[in-house]
Amino acid sequence: QSVLTQPPSVSGAPGQRVTISCTGSSSNIGAGYDVHWYQQLPGTAPKLLIYGNSNRPSGVPDRFSGSKSGTSASLAITGLQAEDEADYYCQSYDSSLSGWGVFGTGTKVTVL
Amino acid sequence: EVQLVQSGAEVKKPGESLKISCKGSGYSFTSYWIGWVRQMPGKGLEWMGIIYPGDSDTRYSPSFQGQVTISADKSISTAYLQWSSLKASDTAMYYCARRGYSYGLSFDYWGQGTLVTVSS
Repeated sequence: QSVLTQPPSVSGAPGQRVTISCTGSSSNIGAGYDVHWYQQLPGTAPKLLIYGNSNRPSGVPDRFSGSKSGTSASLAITGLQAEDEADYYCQSYDSSLSGWGVFGTGTKVTVL
Repeated sequence: EVQLVQSGAEVKKPGESLKISCKGSGYSFTSYWIGWVRQMPGKGLEWMGIIYPGDSDTRYSPSFQGQVTISADKSISTAYLQWSSLKASDTAMYYCARRGYSYGLSFDYWGQGTLVTVSS
């Protein structure tokens, strides 16, 4: 079981803003490890969406933003679009795993 | 262009062995860690382990230690994930991914996935 907890699902109407939380602990996010976010569209491989807590790779729309505070991180999607319907995962590192990686439990975003 | 190309889908019986591959191109294969990620049907992503092809330094998540073997052949820019005795519970999609440096040690490039089905 993952040490990073996300809500199973969030939903919103087109144009709305939704946020996804990623709750960790003092051995991972709270220890200062960066948080990264991935988007997985149905039937495809995950894609890097946010890296280093709040940075977007080139090509990722600025509708997506990330933040980190204490032992948690968040992904926000503003101006929700139909093509944003996907699964989203946070990822960080954990000192209890010898400093190696862990994914969040995943969140399904549904566009109403 | 950076690419990770994985081997094709496999159907195996319980107890059989299997080795799947992930071939990197478009970058210096020996300079980046390659990770393996499991996704069981309808479930989330799980970090299995990671290898540095430059010196074959390998680290496993505690959940997968002893269950799989990760290796690499730098001469052909290919990483591997193998099982000695498959179980039905190994049925899953397996992804390889490159851990980059430009994007904060995230997985910046992913393979297309290899579906492994274990059934009698």
